[in-house]
Amino acid sequence: AQTVTQSQPEMSVQEAETVTLSCTYDTSESDYYLFWYKQPPSRQMILVIRQEAYKQQNATENRFSVNFQKAAKSFSLKISDSQLGDAAMYFCAYLPRERTDKLIFGTGTRLQVFP
Amino acid sequence: NAGVMQNPRHLVRRRGQEARLRCSPMKGHSHVYWYRQLPEEGLKFMVYLQKENIIDESGMPKERFSAEFPKEGPSILRIQQVVRGDSAAYFCASSPQGQGEDQPQHFGDGTRLSIL
Repeated sequence: AQTVTQSQPEMSVQEAETVTLSCTYDTSESDYYLFWYKQPPSRQMILVIRQEAYKQQNATENRFSVNFQKAAKSFSLKISDSQLGDAAMYFCAYLPRERTDKLIFGTGTRLQVFP
Repeated sequence: NAGVMQNPRHLVRRRGQEARLRCSPMKGHSHVYWYRQLPEEGLKFMVYLQKENIIDESGMPKERFSAEFPKEGPSILRIQQVVRGDSAAYFCASSPQGQGEDQPQHFGDGTRLSIL
């Protein structure tokens, strides 16, 4: 069974600094998607960034980028120039490519941003 | 283009009552997924439905929980005889197709269920 592990329950960063959130996963499949979702106190689930496993190039979205290490089954999120509005829970998630029936989520990392 | 609509946003029930949570998928989406988020935890898959069909209910508790997605109208997640442990946020997501999807599931804002 696929699993997603986020080993950092909480992280903090100073405004304008860079922070990296860790995620590892376990799967026997070779093709899949990986996602980072942001959940602010409003509880919305906001897609931050996605990565397709067959693509070697790391995905980037403005200040957000990932370090995807397929062999190591690692998918970390880097937030550059952190802003107060980045404070939220961040969830890493896995989705098999062949059947898009269920996202498998990690337990989340709570990010605090200090001015 | 309206997103996934869930209602109510907040629902309060007493133990033993029934809770009905509604989800209208995005326009053009025929696949609906329900997830549950217990306090301080990640989202856990409950059930995946297409119009009039349950595709995967492997995450649904065997008793008291049921889900449907009729030909017309929203998807309904029903919890009978609620207990305190059912208190959680329930999220609905939708997608336009079930295979080879290039875009992820689109989430609603969730329904927060509180059991007194």
